[in-house]
Amino acid sequence: DTAVSQTPKYLVTQMGNDKSIKCEQNLGHDTMYWYKQDSKKFLKIMFSYNNKELIINETVPNRFSPKSPDKAHLNLHINSLELGDSAVYFCASSLRRRDTEAFFGQGTRLTVV
Amino acid sequence: GEDVEQSLFLSVREGDSSVINCTYTDSSSTYLYWYKQEPGAGLQLLTYIFSNMDMKQDQRLTVLLNKKDKHLSLRIADTQTGDSAIYFCAENDYKLSFGAGTTVTVRA
Repeated sequence: DTAVSQTPKYLVTQMGNDKSIKCEQNLGHDTMYWYKQDSKKFLKIMFSYNNKELIINETVPNRFSPKSPDKAHLNLHINSLELGDSAVYFCASSLRRRDTEAFFGQGTRLTVV
Repeated sequence: GEDVEQSLFLSVREGDSSVINCTYTDSSSTYLYWYKQEPGAGLQLLTYIFSNMDMKQDQRLTVLLNKKDKHLSLRIADTQTGDSAIYFCAENDYKLSFGAGTTVTVRA
């Protein structure tokens, strides 16, 4: 059973398009995250939700909009994609919003051409 | 991450010990974590240490924590080729923050 699953695994799209990445966790966790990993492997937090409520919103262009329809899902929608958005996006979840380990999805490699 | 710093690269001979270092600026986290990322995969928790401990041993892994110096290290004994990966230290103080990751390369 996959604990944190994200789809799609690969996404190649043209500049200016709008795309979504979906994430689901079956662990019963309260907190979910989106991270961006750049080509240098730096992991930067983008958003975090706790029980469907946005609790962390780092400096991210407003072209990026997270949506959490329920506690088990956190989707990421990106409008007007740019070349610099190319990266690997990881979804993660943790039992609580602090002091607990996070479980990661396999990542979505987004390539904007 | 700006709150957590690591050296970026480590090359080690198979069978030797690897030591990966991490410093953090400020943390009231109860736990500090080490994650491993293999090529093309997500991050997996390797081990963690409770913040009031100095040391934790888990098979080939030893975690040392110096709270006064805000320094965390991970020692891998008898390093194997399967240990080649990126290792991230992390804290979860309402924001799960990661270091930049240390790429460990194991050479024969």
